[in-house]
Parts: sequence; C-alpha cells; structure tokens
Amino acid sequence: DTAVSQTPKYLVTQMGNDKSIKCEQNLGHDTMYWYKQDSKKFLKIMFSYNNKELIINETVPNRFSPKSPDKAHLNLHINSLELGDSAVYFCASSQPLGTQYFGPGTRLTVL
Amino acid sequence: QQQVKQSPQSLIVQKGGISIINCAYENTAFDYFPWYQQFPGKGPALLIAIRPDVSEKKEGRFTISFNKSAKQFSLHIMDSQPGDSATYFCAATVDNQGGKLIFGQGTELSVKP
Repeated sequence: DTAVSQTPKYLVTQMGNDKSIKCEQNLGHDTMYWYKQDSKKFLKIMFSYNNKELIINETVPNRFSPKSPDKAHLNLHINSLELGDSAVYFCASSQPLGTQYFGPGTRLTVL
Repeated sequence: QQQVKQSPQSLIVQKGGISIINCAYENTAFDYFPWYQQFPGKGPALLIAIRPDVSEKKEGRFTISFNKSAKQFSLHIMDSQPGDSATYFCAATVDNQGGKLIFGQGTELSVKP
C-alpha cells in the first residue's frame, strides 16, 4: 500500500565502508529523485532519473552513484563513506511536472 | 540566483492564531511554488502549491499569497492547531528543469494549546 518506500530506515556504519539505500515506488511514476537532508533540515536534490535515464546530477561527490534497474526503483550506492555523509536521504517520485511524493527517509549515521 | 530564502526559522503560535511563513526568491524563471509539510521522522508531503499567474490560492485553512513583482510568497495557516506543529518548507522550480525543487531553509512551527 506504501507509495514510496525506502530500505533501510536506519543505517549506521563506519567511515570508509560502502553502503546502499534502496527505493521503490508503486505509483507508476516516470521520474524518481534522491534528496539529502542535513542536520539543519536543509533539503537538497542530488539526482533524478526519468524512465531509467539520469536527468539531474547535482554537484555530488562521485562516491555517490544512483542506479535505476527499472522505472519503479532507484537505488543509491555510496562508496568510501565519510563523516559528512551523515544525513537523512529521501527518495521521491513524480510524473513529469507533477507533485513529488517523498519516501519516509533513511537516516545514515557514519561513525 | 537559485536560492530560496525562508523566514522565520522557528515560529510559536497559540492555538487558533494565524501562522505566517515567508519566502523570497531571485530567479524569475521559477514557475511553480509548492509548500511542503514535514512531521518528525517522516518525509515531506505537499501541502499546497501556486503558479505565478495567480496572487492567492486557498485550500481549507492554508493560503498562499504570491507577489510576483516583489518575488515573494507566503504561507498563511488560519486557526492554527497543535496538529499543525511541523516543519514547513517553501520551494520553487522551473517546469523544464526536470522537477528540480529548490527548497527554503525550513520553518519549525509549534502551535501551543
């Protein structure tokens, strides 16, 4: 029943590790996004995909790599995690020019 | 020029009062201005949105006022309720930029009973 889901909800890991966050939407949307919310709650777009094609690639370290296996999934893989990567990561989806629906977020803590 | 500036950072209002949150932008190409509401531990959810061809949009207790010449827009919450306590974000985007939302810094609203 969930529209946009993310796993895991919490992720605690050591510096230098590689981790992935998964996102799935069952709304039939063509476009999916990754946003980062920092400790001050500031939200910033990282990537967007439309029909599995990368559309938006903001100034994000290349340690972050999104992968879209199909239209309903957009995963985020992060290599060599750093302390500054600690944040809440939100996945979202929309139809073109439509409302963006956000997932519940994944709180990443890098120790 | 891509920034959206939001104020105040935090707001305390008594139950039944009016909450007002303001945003300002520089990029005149922005053509869609949504407001999102975020409860603790949840993702942002669209509350109400406006396009610059209208000066006001009302949905229930929530109203957006839009001043194109001043490049400002604001959210008014009438008869504020404790259940409205959340963080509110204004945002802006250009339709042909693939849905890239530029968010304001957020306002933490607390409505006291």
